[in-house]
Amino acid sequence: GAGVSQSPSNKVTEKGKDVELRCDPISGHTALYWYRQSLGQGLEFLIYFQGNSAPDKSGLPSDRFSAERTGGSVSTLTIQRTQQEDSAVYLCASSLSGQGAFEKLFFGSGTQLSVL
Amino acid sequence: DAKTTQPNSMESNEEEPVHLPCNHSTISGTDYIHWYRQLPSQGPEYVIHGLTSNVNNRMASLAIAEDRKSSTLILHRATLRDAAVYYCILMSMNYGGATNKLIFGTGTLLAVQP
Repeated sequence: GAGVSQSPSNKVTEKGKDVELRCDPISGHTALYWYRQSLGQGLEFLIYFQGNSAPDKSGLPSDRFSAERTGGSVSTLTIQRTQQEDSAVYLCASSLSGQGAFEKLFFGSGTQLSVL
Repeated sequence: DAKTTQPNSMESNEEEPVHLPCNHSTISGTDYIHWYRQLPSQGPEYVIHGLTSNVNNRMASLAIAEDRKSSTLILHRATLRDAAVYYCILMSMNYGGATNKLIFGTGTLLAVQP
C-alpha cells in the first residue's frame, strides 16, 4: 500500500485478555517504530525495529508488552493480560533506513485500544 | 536527547501567517530540527526539517536562528485544516546501532479561527 496500515482501527477488550495489534509498514522501509498515545497525552516511544531485530525496546512499559517483526515487514505488538491503563492509541511508523537524522517517519492512523 | 520547548497553545486567524516558535538551547552540532504535526484523530505527519539553513517546502517554511538555539515554523496562510498539534523535535545522527527515534514533547496546539 501507499502508506503505513494498522489494524484493527479500534479494539475493545476486557481486562485480563490478550490483544494483538498489527502494523504494515511502507514497502521497502527497514525501520519500524511503535508509539502509544494516552488520552490527552504526548506520544510515548515503545520499541524500534531494524529489519527483524529490535535493538531498542527501552520504551516497553512492562513484560506484558512484546513485539515482533517478520520478513522485515509486518509487525505485531502483543499486550498480555491487558489492564485499564493500557487503554490508548497505539501508533506505528516506518522509515527508509532508520540511520539518518534527516529521515522522515511515516505514521499510520493508529489502533484505538479500550480495555474495559 | 536534547530537549525542545514550545508554547502550549497558539491562536491564529484563517488566511493569516502563523509563526510557531521552538527553543532548543542544548542542541548539538549534528542535531537536525524536525517538525511534525498531528491533526485530530490521526497519526503525526512530517512537515519539514532542517540543519542550519532556512528551508521551504509546499507546506511551510523553517527559519533557524544563526546560533541554532531556536527555530520557527512558518505557515504562510493558515487554513482551518492547519488546526493541529505541532511538534518540534531534534534528531541526532545515528552512528551505527543507536535508535533513530523521534522523542515527542507536548507540542503546540494551534487553533485557527475562521
